[in-house]
Amino acid sequence: AQKVTQAQTEISVVEKEDVTLDCVYETRDTTYYLFWYKQPPSGELVFLIRRNSFDEQNEISGRYSWNFQKSTSSFNFTITASQVVDSAVYFCALSISRGSTLGRLYFGRGTQLTVWP
Amino acid sequence: GAGVSQSPRYKVAKRGQDVALRCDPISGHVSLFWYQQALGQGPEFLTYFQNEAQLDKSGLPSDRFFAERPEGSVSTLKIQRTQQEDSAVYLCASSLALDLPTSPLHFGNGTRLTVT
Repeated sequence: AQKVTQAQTEISVVEKEDVTLDCVYETRDTTYYLFWYKQPPSGELVFLIRRNSFDEQNEISGRYSWNFQKSTSSFNFTITASQVVDSAVYFCALSISRGSTLGRLYFGRGTQLTVWP
Repeated sequence: GAGVSQSPRYKVAKRGQDVALRCDPISGHVSLFWYQQALGQGPEFLTYFQNEAQLDKSGLPSDRFFAERPEGSVSTLKIQRTQQEDSAVYLCASSLALDLPTSPLHFGNGTRLTVT
């Protein structure tokens, strides 16, 4: 079975602070994909990043960076110099590459990030 | 359209009523998913279409839930005899690719269903 755990329910920071959102996943598949989505108050899930299980290289995109470590089954997300506009719920998700529904996402419960001015 | 469109945005139903939720995916997108998101939770998979074929409905919680996509574009999620536990946000997502999950899903804003 697939499972994603986001232990942090809520995080509050002050603008310009760095913040890391944790994600731990479980799967027995050797080929899988990991995702982060942002859900602002409008409700739409916005895709941020996808990594496959064979690529452990860390990635940086502007103020966002992701740390994928297979040894600890973690895919953590760091926002550097946070801004008020970063306030949202962030979801980590897992997808496996077999079965009848490729692309089906298994989501964590989400982390509510609030950035105060 | 520019994105996935869902209607209505909000729906209030009395317990026992039937509801129909509509999803307009991005034009040309082959794959379409429905997810249910309870308050404070992550989205949970309901069902998946590839064009007009419903390939996976294993996530539908009961036989009161029914989804269709008759012409391979617009999809409707129908809930019969609604119960309070059906209250949630229903999210629709579409993707251009058949070769999932290489192509990320594009989500709509969802329909918030409240059953009173």
